[in-house]
Amino acid sequence: AQKVTQAQTEISVVEKEDVTLDCVYETRDTTYYLFWYKQPPSGELVFLIRRNSFDEQNEISGRYSWNFQKSTSSFNFTITASQVVDSAVYFCALSEPFSGTYKYIFGTGTRLKVLA
Amino acid sequence: EPEVTQTPSHQVTQMGQEVILRCVPISNHLYFYWYRQILGQKVEFLVSFYNNEISEKSEIFDDQFSVERPDGSNFTLKIRSTKLEDSAMYFCASGTFRPDGYTFGSGTRLTVV
Repeated sequence: AQKVTQAQTEISVVEKEDVTLDCVYETRDTTYYLFWYKQPPSGELVFLIRRNSFDEQNEISGRYSWNFQKSTSSFNFTITASQVVDSAVYFCALSEPFSGTYKYIFGTGTRLKVLA
Repeated sequence: EPEVTQTPSHQVTQMGQEVILRCVPISNHLYFYWYRQILGQKVEFLVSFYNNEISEKSEIFDDQFSVERPDGSNFTLKIRSTKLEDSAMYFCASGTFRPDGYTFGSGTRLTVV
């Protein structure tokens, strides 16, 4: 069955520290998509990245980077030189496009607090 | 950039009342979804909608819930008789070719008192 585990409930770091948010997923399909979303205090879901199961290249976007490892079923997210504005809840999600209606299965989220 | 628009942003309703949450998907999108997030918890799938019918629904989506596209542009979620536990953020989403993922609206926070 599909499952997304974000074991870190809350992380606190001091500004400028690097932080990694973990995401482990379970799926029965060989084709799937993984996502990260940011949810600031205002409540909306801000799309950060989409990765398909055939693309294991790591990605960097500014201070953000993602490490996708199929061997360990993980899709971890690193923020380099964290800033107070990064404080939010971060959700990892999984979608199996060819097994149904492409619904997203979200993890329970990791609350990141960046202290000035 | 095109957006999924949800109205209202916040709605307060009395327990037992009917409530309709409204969404305007992106115009060329064909697939529509509702998700729910109880405060402090994860985002949960409620229902998906394609070709004017429900394609999948979760166990949360019981007979109290219904969805429709009344005029080909809006996409609504109706809760017939609200309960306290329906208090949550409700997100609408729409998409084109499903493997690409889809766009979420900014949510409607429903408070049942």
